[in-house]
Amino acid sequence: EVQLVESGGGLVQPGGSLRLSCAASGFTFSSHRMTWVRQAPGKGLEWVANINQDGSEKNYLDSVKGRFIVSRDNAENSLYLQMNSLRVEDTAIYYCAKNEGDWWGQGALVTVSA
Amino acid sequence: EIVLTQSPGTLSLSPGERATLSCRASQSVDSNYIAWQQQKPGQAPRLLIYGASRRANGIPDRFSGSGSGTDFTLTISRLEPEDFAVYYCHHYAGSPQTFGQGTKVEIK
Repeated sequence: EVQLVESGGGLVQPGGSLRLSCAASGFTFSSHRMTWVRQAPGKGLEWVANINQDGSEKNYLDSVKGRFIVSRDNAENSLYLQMNSLRVEDTAIYYCAKNEGDWWGQGALVTVSA
Repeated sequence: EIVLTQSPGTLSLSPGERATLSCRASQSVDSNYIAWQQQKPGQAPRLLIYGASRRANGIPDRFSGSGSGTDFTLTISRLEPEDFAVYYCHHYAGSPQTFGQGTKVEIK
């Protein structure tokens, strides 16, 4: 069975950094694109970034470009999101998803607050 | 950027009734890249429909998707108690990908 487990969320001050991880199992990780989607409290879904199978192609939401970096380690079956210069408006649950959303993790809460 | 507008915002229906949810794109899109996701409170989204009309694995046939160009529809033929949730349409071609703002299907 496909499993995606996010970790690394928490409380951080504005301007701080956080690294999210997503451990994948139950499928051939290296054969699939991976995606990060976030959901602010009480709001809808917002696509953040994605990465192709070998990590050579990455795409980002405009508001996170230059601050967030998506990466992957196919040997470790893991997806990452390095978040720098965090803003209050980045507060959300961050989900990793297989391909463009055919399977989702349970999410990691990131709270940016002074 | 493709903007997806869903209507209505909230749909109040009884179990057994038919639900029709609309998603309109700001410009014509390839229907191969339209999906519908279901989200229940406190849970991650779940893929229902991809390619506008293809049901994902394990999704009951009471869920169906249709549409092309700028107008897409998710239909739930007979609502079951577990179907009361928020539904999002999703355009997943190119960058940025976009989601509609969601339609909440609530018990009347």
